[in-house]
Amino acid sequence: DSGVTQTPKHLITATGQRVTLRCSPRSGDLSVYWYQQSLDQGLQFLIQYYNGEERAKGNILERFSAQQFPDLHSELNLSSLELGDSALYFCASSRYSGANVLTFGAGSRLTVL
Amino acid sequence: AQTVTQSQPEMSVQEAETVTLSCTYDTSESNYYLFWYKQPPSRQMILVIRQEAYKQQNATENRFSVNFQKAAKSFSLKISDSQLGDTAMYFCAFMNGQGGSEKLVFGKGMKLTVNP
Repeated sequence: DSGVTQTPKHLITATGQRVTLRCSPRSGDLSVYWYQQSLDQGLQFLIQYYNGEERAKGNILERFSAQQFPDLHSELNLSSLELGDSALYFCASSRYSGANVLTFGAGSRLTVL
Repeated sequence: AQTVTQSQPEMSVQEAETVTLSCTYDTSESNYYLFWYKQPPSRQMILVIRQEAYKQQNATENRFSVNFQKAAKSFSLKISDSQLGDTAMYFCAFMNGQGGSEKLVFGKGMKLTVNP
């Protein structure tokens, strides 16, 4: 157990729907990152939050949004889902911004039918 | 933009043998970090080893060691005494050392199979 908790582990939904993925970072970690792993794109950085504020943004679609709450957990919202959004979504956390060591959760597998 | 290339998509090795996984990267930065992550069938991303670019000494972690060639922008992973549990996808990754963001840039990965 890495200490980073992601829910749900698996999610099956239909095109056009909206889902929310949740991440609880390791105790004491202030920074949360979201990554998408798909067969065609590999592992792609989506977005980073540090202590509630957006710190860096990567290849995140406009249909996707994220936030980090005061208790430091984070949610990734995916809307108007398309077949191509089917992927493994990872959350990772680090102690602070600049720590350069990320701990990954087990991922949330999203299947869009 | 930084890029990470893993040219070998797949390798297999016999148990107890030594195997080397290759990785090259491209960056104009001078301060950065390089990583090898392991992803077993459980899908969990597990940090294997980390190298700071400013350190000349190659990092080692038990059976895992790297050959870091900064001028050549090469970062290979050597696994000694391979074990069945080493079977996994291995990803090489780059992180810029400046700017306050720990964005990891990953290679496409390499599937390693350790055979009994």
